Order: sequence, then structure tokens, then C-alpha cells
Amino acid sequence: NAGVTQTPKFRVLKTGQSMTLLCAQDMNHEYMYWYRQDPGMGLRLIHYSVGEGTTAKGEVPDGYNVSRLKKQNFLLGLESAAPSQTSVYFCASSYSGQGAPYEQYFGPGTRLTVT
Amino acid sequence: LAKTTQPISMDSYEGQEVNITCSHNNIATNDYITWYQQFPSQGPRFIIQGYKTKVTNEVASLFIPADRKSSTLSLPRVSLSDTAVYYCLVGDSRGSTLGRLYFGRGTQLTVWP
Repeated sequence: NAGVTQTPKFRVLKTGQSMTLLCAQDMNHEYMYWYRQDPGMGLRLIHYSVGEGTTAKGEVPDGYNVSRLKKQNFLLGLESAAPSQTSVYFCASSYSGQGAPYEQYFGPGTRLTVT
Repeated sequence: LAKTTQPISMDSYEGQEVNITCSHNNIATNDYITWYQQFPSQGPRFIIQGYKTKVTNEVASLFIPADRKSSTLSLPRVSLSDTAVYYCLVGDSRGSTLGRLYFGRGTQLTVWP
């Protein structure tokens, strides 16, 4: 049981390049999330998904796209990277259901630098 | 958005009790209060969650007054390993409101020997 894994762990991009970050979870969670964390800042929600085939915008969605083609995977895409997207990206997943938000399980993060 | 306000930083010594207060004036009826802990270069980790009154687990206690506009995370007898950033979140699990979950900047707790 690996929990939440993220690929890659590190990446350096040039401005204008594209890339996809992969998040995978083996806990059969319905909900998945992508966050970014800038130095000295808290986590900001980029996009989230409440189930396979569905996605929704979070607090800072501009410049990113996501897809949830399989329940266990949540992909985050940068079509044309900008230096402002230099950050650490965290993926998380959780159970679904009414009432209390279930615990979010976080991956180890992807450190992305855009030059 | 049910945003939260926490102190940016706190200092303590080993063995002391630490109380971190979070303000959430706009909390909604269906919202729960959740606390996470984050160590450097790691993702956040769930600590405790509550709706009202008091909740206790093996790690911490959470105190929520009747008006629910604030909450206090209590860490008993902290150690050096409790040095971390602590985040207070307010929200519920309904799919349509998940985007309201807001981590904020958190509170950097530093425990000194």
C-alpha cells in the first residue's frame, strides 16, 4: 500500500515548455486534489476532483489543466510554463461522503522550477 | 470562502503545553474544523477534527466554543519533533463545497530545548 505517489519528484522547465505531473493513489479514494505551495506560504488549491471523469476549479486554477480519466490517477498539466509557476506541487486524496471532510492523504510533492 | 486566521509563529519549550488559536468568523452550519501538521519538505498530515465542544485523540485536543467562530488546538507536553507548521481548515465534505477548503499560511511552531 503506497498511499499517494507523485511523479516526478523534481523538474526544471524553460518558460513556454509543457509538462504533466502524475498523481496516483491506491486507497480507492473518490476525491483528489492538486495544491501548490510557494515559499513561506500555505497550500493553495489548484483543481480538485470528486470522482472519475469530473474536475473542478480551486482557488488558483489559471495556467493549469487537470484530468481524471481513471479513479486512481489525477493529472496536472502545464501547457506553457511560466516562472510564476515555480512551486512545490502536492497531490492529495480523501474518501467521500456527507458530513465531516475525510482526512486528506498527501503525496511527497513535486518541486518544479521554471526558468 | 470560510477563511481562517492564525498567528504566523509561536515559540515554546520542550515539555510545555501549546495552544494555537484559529479564528473562523464566517464558519457555516455544515462546516467542520480540521487541523493539519506539516514538516519541511513533506505534505501535510491530519491531526484532529471536530464540529463543536471538545475532541481529544492521542496526539492533541481541539476546543471549540459554542459560537464556533474560533477553535484552539492544544498540544500537550511538546517535544522538539513537534516543530512544524500547523494549519487550521474549515469546511465540509460535500463535493460542491470542497473548493472552499482553505489552508492559509498556518502557524510555525518552534519548540526549543
